[in-house]
Amino acid sequence: AQSVTQLDSQVPVFEEAPVELRCNYSSSVSVYLFWYVQYPNQGLQLLLKYLSGSTLVKGINGFEAEFNKSQTSFHLRKPSVHISDTAEYFCAVSYNSGGYQKVTFGTGTKLQVIP
Amino acid sequence: DGGITQSPKYLFRKEGQNVTLSCEQNLNHDAMYWYRQDPGQGLRLIYYSQIVNDFQKGDIAEGYSVSREKKESFPLTVTSAQKNPTAFYLCASSHRVGEQFFGPGTRLTVL
Repeated sequence: AQSVTQLDSQVPVFEEAPVELRCNYSSSVSVYLFWYVQYPNQGLQLLLKYLSGSTLVKGINGFEAEFNKSQTSFHLRKPSVHISDTAEYFCAVSYNSGGYQKVTFGTGTKLQVIP
Repeated sequence: DGGITQSPKYLFRKEGQNVTLSCEQNLNHDAMYWYRQDPGQGLRLIYYSQIVNDFQKGDIAEGYSVSREKKESFPLTVTSAQKNPTAFYLCASSHRVGEQFFGPGTRLTVL
């Protein structure tokens, strides 16, 4: 079975400081990797995705993530956070199972940007 | 504009009642999904459908039912058999490789 671990449930960081949100996954098959952001009482929006190719992927709002196959990680980074980045972030893996494309989400990390 | 709509945004249910949550998409996506979100538990898959007239149970299907009569629509019914239905419900659709597009969600509260 595929699983996603987001070890940090909450991450406080000062405005304009860098941040890294960690994501590790476990899978016996090839996967695609995603980061989503959720603002309060809203649906999820795609931040970025890794399908193949370059292991460093850039997304919206200045975020980027690096796929590390040997460490089965896909950590999300931003060099300088803004107050508007305060939200919950979800890592997800997509894989094919029995002809169906399935997705497993992590439990989320709440990023709190402190003024 | 293409997207996914969910209605209503807020829904209140008395114990013992069935309620139906609406999900419509105009993205021409084949696959649609229903998730339940509770604080600290991330998203849990209730049902999913890859094509019209076909759907599969997810991880927490008990107490829920769905239908997929049209490509654009995937309504979710929360039945009286669901013991703890108070939660935030999210609908999503997908065209390929698992990238999902989400609706704004419905918050269901049992009175």
